Amino acid sequence: GAGVSQSPRYKVAKRGQDVALRCDPISGHVSLFWYQQALGQGPEFLTYFQNEAQLDKSGLPSDRFFAERPEGSVSTLKIQRTQQEDSAVYLCASRRAYEQYFGPGTRLTVT
Amino acid sequence: AQSVTQLGSHVSVSEGALVLLRCNYSSSVPPYLFWYVQYPNQGLQLLLKYTSAATLVKGINGFEAEFKKSETSFHLTKPSAHMSDAAEYFCAVTPSGAGSYQLTFGKGTKLSVIP
Repeated sequence: GAGVSQSPRYKVAKRGQDVALRCDPISGHVSLFWYQQALGQGPEFLTYFQNEAQLDKSGLPSDRFFAERPEGSVSTLKIQRTQQEDSAVYLCASRRAYEQYFGPGTRLTVT
Repeated sequence: AQSVTQLGSHVSVSEGALVLLRCNYSSSVPPYLFWYVQYPNQGLQLLLKYTSAATLVKGINGFEAEFKKSETSFHLTKPSAHMSDAAEYFCAVTPSGAGSYQLTFGKGTKLSVIP
């Protein structure tokens, strides 16, 4: 079966632009996570969904970050008015039991 | 709250030598622990996990790790390094029990294998 997929794989945005990052989880996985991985660092939690419900968004760094999963499958992470500090790899993971399965990530570069 | 400390941001070993990557954790409740591997421009792949069964856990590619509660450690080992093991390795923790979900990661250890 297919793993977690993310698109685009690479995104270059000019400062101030809005971006949308997509995650397709493994079919049937109800739990979905977003993480941010800065260069040379470990991933850091952003937000968590169970089906369509966003149960935790405590890791979102500012109100410019918004995530949704309207039908409980595909999720979109949106960043408004991008800033240089938003440059990072954004990882999506879906979970079965205690195991999280990660996608390849979207590398966002803000110039 | 949970945290993970990985000692050594970069470890070099010779091909065929022992691999030892260190991980210490802090957790206010019994933890579940994980090791992930990340190859360049790829996502994280689960190597092995500890979820309160056996304290010595075997994973893929010949890796294993031992959960030591008294030392709050979960070090990753492999008896003989291969060139293909060169990658970045992340230790992660999550609280055990119902409702636990997010992973807290260490900063990672980059493993280089010298031929």
